[in-house]
Amino acid sequence: TQLLEQSPQFLSIQEGENLTVYCNSSSVFSSLQWYRQEPGEGPVLLVTVVTGGEVKKLKRLTFQFGDARKDSSLHITAAQPGDTGLYLCVYNQGGKLIFGQGTELSVKP
Amino acid sequence: GAVVSQHPSRVICKSGTSVKIECRSLDFQATTMFWYRQFPKQSLMLMATSNEGSKATYEQGVEKDKFLINHASLTLSTLTVTSAHPEDSSFYICSARGPQNTGELFFGEGSRLTVL
Repeated sequence: TQLLEQSPQFLSIQEGENLTVYCNSSSVFSSLQWYRQEPGEGPVLLVTVVTGGEVKKLKRLTFQFGDARKDSSLHITAAQPGDTGLYLCVYNQGGKLIFGQGTELSVKP
Repeated sequence: GAVVSQHPSRVICKSGTSVKIECRSLDFQATTMFWYRQFPKQSLMLMATSNEGSKATYEQGVEKDKFLINHASLTLSTLTVTSAHPEDSSFYICSARGPQNTGELFFGEGSRLTVL
């Protein structure tokens, strides 16, 4: 079983649309991270959420950590083609990263 | 941010040969590096934790004799895929904990291995 369940796994939308990616677990986490990976490259850290109920914004990206610290979401407003990539929900276990299955996002112009 | 570099970025080899992939931390020392494997359209799967000066720790199901890891210095870890077969074709990525102890890991650019 997957520790971190991400949904949806694939998402294809038009430029300008909004979207939300979910990361769920039955476990409680001290923190969760979101990474983005572009084709042929390594993942890059977007944000770390630490406090239950926390909301962090990164331009058009809004990250939320659930009150019970079991889940997180990523909302993108007015998606752009440059947002295309693989979005990964990650638990950092003392430097050892546990990855969700990832959400492959494609934003078409 | 901290830079982690992998080499080669792409390699094609014949079945039965061995391939070595290097992972370097360019501007910081990394006592621990991690090796991941990624299939197309899938997430990263942790293969092993590479520890400088000691044996690597392998994840369950990863053959240590197949995937040899050497972390001989504070800036270099190598992954050698021995007697490679077509099913070993994959994208291999390394990461290292950054120098600031913020919990962020920095990833190499990845190495795409194709075994013919």
